[in-house]
Amino acid sequence: EDQVTQSPEALRLQEGESSSLNCSYTVSGLRGLFWYRQDPGKGPEFLFTLYSAGEEKEKERLKATLTKKESFLHITAPKPEDSATYLCALLLIQGAQKLVFGQGTRLTINP
Amino acid sequence: DTAVSQTPKYLVTQMGNDKSIKCEQNLGHDTMYWYKQDSKKFLKIMFSYNNKELIINETVPNRFSPKSPDKAHLNLHINSLELGDSAVYFCASNRRGLNTEAFFGQGTRLTVV
Repeated sequence: EDQVTQSPEALRLQEGESSSLNCSYTVSGLRGLFWYRQDPGKGPEFLFTLYSAGEEKEKERLKATLTKKESFLHITAPKPEDSATYLCALLLIQGAQKLVFGQGTRLTINP
Repeated sequence: DTAVSQTPKYLVTQMGNDKSIKCEQNLGHDTMYWYKQDSKKFLKIMFSYNNKELIINETVPNRFSPKSPDKAHLNLHINSLELGDSAVYFCASNRRGLNTEAFFGQGTRLTVV
């Protein structure tokens, strides 16, 4: 069964303290892995798409990487405005495209 | 502004009522979705429409009926609302084709009392 699991569920960091969020998956034929950011009371906002193992993408303090079994979202020197829930999603093609989401990691950056 | 917009943002209603949530996108996308986010923040797909045609129906109770009058609109009608329907419902859209990111609306928080 296609499954995506994120860890940790919640992470609290001090401003400037770098860390990584994990997204592990089991899927038969990965078409793409997406990272989204969700702020309270808002819809998910697209960050990155990764397509194949070894791929990396960066945006400001965030860098996403992908292996055959997991993806990491690395946060370097985070700021309080990076506080949000980060969602990982698999793109599956089963007659049509659909995203299967993990449960998210709630990240809090303390000043 | 180009966006996916949903109305209403908040909806409080009694059990047994019928309600609708509207969604519109002006991004020129041809595929639209409804997702449900439960109290544990899990986002699960409910429906997918492509060019007004239902593509995905993820074992959602038939009290939920999506309607797509055109490819820019996807509405969700819910009959006989139950307490367990309380959740945040998100509309999303993207272009058909592999690996195109989905854009989400701001969500509709439905509370059934």
